[in-house]
Amino acid sequence: DQQVKQNSPSLSVQEGRISILNCDYTNSMFDYFLWYKKYPAEGPTFLISISSIKDKNEDGRFTVFLNKSAKHLSLHIVPSQPGDSAVYFCAAVAGNNRKLIWGLGTSLAVNP
Amino acid sequence: DADVTQTPRNRITKTGKRIMLECSQTKGHDRMYWYRQDPGLGLRLIYYSFDVKDINKGEISDGYSVSRQAQAKFSLSLESAIPNQTALYFCATSDPPRYEQYFGPGTRLTVT
Repeated sequence: DQQVKQNSPSLSVQEGRISILNCDYTNSMFDYFLWYKKYPAEGPTFLISISSIKDKNEDGRFTVFLNKSAKHLSLHIVPSQPGDSAVYFCAAVAGNNRKLIWGLGTSLAVNP
Repeated sequence: DADVTQTPRNRITKTGKRIMLECSQTKGHDRMYWYRQDPGLGLRLIYYSFDVKDINKGEISDGYSVSRQAQAKFSLSLESAIPNQTALYFCATSDPPRYEQYFGPGTRLTVT
């Protein structure tokens, strides 16, 4: 049973507009979340993270929002650029061993 | 130079063969991980190691074994490869107390 869900397999946006990628989780014990970006033929690369004690974290064009009551987080990319086209994974830190539980990813296409 | 390297990058092997995938890191991290990625299934943890003497099974360890030869090296073995082990394999490292994991470029394994 998927504990971290990315319900949109793909998303297409126009260059310069906002991209919003969503992630839902089922376990209220998750207390730290990360977003990764993955290009074809490369490993995932860390993008941004957020602790459950915060509701927002910003790094340049990337902002992550956390709504604990809804068990929902989102990644906003503003403005979107063609180089942002990649698969984005949401992950949650779980358990005493602090392993990462991964979503299935959302493929973002930013069109020029 | 890449901080996490994996060899080989691509491998085709036959059913029943033993194969080893190797991972090396120059990041000085104690923790290392092996994942596999399959289409539609995201990243699944095979094994992880918190230090040279501490190796743990992940969610899909059956059919795999690992060896942590040194802090910098973590190898994954398929003792008798089968076609459903065809996948993309990633090695990763992390440095507690931070949760971010840093990935190698991946090994594409095909078992015929």
